[in-house]
Amino acid sequence: DVKVTQSSRYLVKRTGEKVFLECVQDMDHENMFWYRQDPGLGLRLIYFSYDVKMKEKGDIPEGYSVSREKKERFSLILESASTNQTSMYLCASSLLSDFRDYTAKNIQYFGAGTRLSVL
Amino acid sequence: QQQVKQSPQSLIVQKGGISIINCAYENTAFDYFPWYQQFPGKGPALLIAIRPDVSEKKEGRFTISFNKSAKQFSLHIMDSQPGDSATYFCAAPGAGGYQKVTFGTGTKLQVIP
Repeated sequence: DVKVTQSSRYLVKRTGEKVFLECVQDMDHENMFWYRQDPGLGLRLIYFSYDVKMKEKGDIPEGYSVSREKKERFSLILESASTNQTSMYLCASSLLSDFRDYTAKNIQYFGAGTRLSVL
Repeated sequence: QQQVKQSPQSLIVQKGGISIINCAYENTAFDYFPWYQQFPGKGPALLIAIRPDVSEKKEGRFTISFNKSAKQFSLHIMDSQPGDSATYFCAAPGAGGYQKVTFGTGTKLQVIP
């Protein structure tokens, strides 16, 4: 079974703190993603990475950065946390991210999420 | 940016009834529409997906259908069970590229005994 592990289930931080959210996958997947989940807004893509040291902005990258130094690890960084970044953060990985390929390779496997509260 | 409109936001269904969730998209380069299911305290997991060569796909009690001309796709859960109570997300690939999907806003389904 694919396992995507997020380092923390719950985090409480103060406004202005630098916050690191860590994600590790054990299936040698090429692609990793960070989403935030908010009620009524669904899952919104923050950043994704299709290779080590490669990253692309998603739909809501402002206020976030990412790091992928090793294939299995993808970190989300909040340089200066703000209250509007209070949310559930979900990490995902997939073998492929090419929807011209209609196979199971595109399935995204999600971690259990990190609920971040910024006070 | 791809928009995926999902409805309803929440749904209460009696055990044994049919649950129906609808999604509409704006544009997509690839007709591949996955549905994800999320239980409380867990991350979403793929439930079922439809490819462009079919207009309907059935897996057990779950059926997805696709209407390309209307740019709509839907999930039907037949004989709904309390264990189906979860949040369901539809998704569609973006119009501008092939690497991202856009998720719908989610439907919280509650199946009552």
